[in-house]
Amino acid sequence: GDSVTQMEGPVTLSEEAFLTINCTYTATGYPSLFWYVQYPGEGLQLLLKATKADDKGSNKGFEATYRKETTSFHLEKGSVQVSDSAVYFCALSDRGRDDKIIFGKGTRLHILP
Amino acid sequence: DARVTQTPRHKVTEMGQEVTMRCQPILGHNTVFWYRQTMMQGLELLAYFRNRAPLDDSGMPKDRFSAEMPDATLATLKIQPSEPRDSAVYFCASGLVRSPLSYEQYFGPGTRLTVT
Repeated sequence: GDSVTQMEGPVTLSEEAFLTINCTYTATGYPSLFWYVQYPGEGLQLLLKATKADDKGSNKGFEATYRKETTSFHLEKGSVQVSDSAVYFCALSDRGRDDKIIFGKGTRLHILP
Repeated sequence: DARVTQTPRHKVTEMGQEVTMRCQPILGHNTVFWYRQTMMQGLELLAYFRNRAPLDDSGMPKDRFSAEMPDATLATLKIQPSEPRDSAVYFCASGLVRSPLSYEQYFGPGTRLTVT
């Protein structure tokens, strides 16, 4: 079945460092890809998405490019802030099959001032 | 700013008691999902509805959990009887299927359940 694999955390970086969180997926169809973020004590929020190959999703300085050839959707940010500390979930939706969104296990990010 | 609301936000109960969690999806959304989040298991899909009809509840322990949508503005998740292993944060999410390429879920703030 469809699945998402993302790098295990926690990831600890200093403020203004470059961030990459790796994500790869397995899907039988042509999925849409997402990154969700969960701040402490809150529900998940959509951070960005991409619906077709080579699309780049971006929001709040974060970017991810849909790479069909490598089945990847890595999350990047050029300069992280303390406020970016959260758990990040990579996810996919194979809308042609059903309405479910398949989530990865999440990567906890700590940013040190 | 439309949001998914969940009540209660926190619930502490004793083993064996019934627990009911409520969710109000975003008005106009046609899919509703219940998830459970724990440190050990991460985020697990328990059940979901489309147009109020249950489509998949394979993630739920059937003997004690039940999920319903009495109307389009309310989804409920019940646990009876509750057990300590049910302690978790329960999230409701709703979504609107506009097209195969335009679909995402909006999460509520969660209900933190503690069963002692």
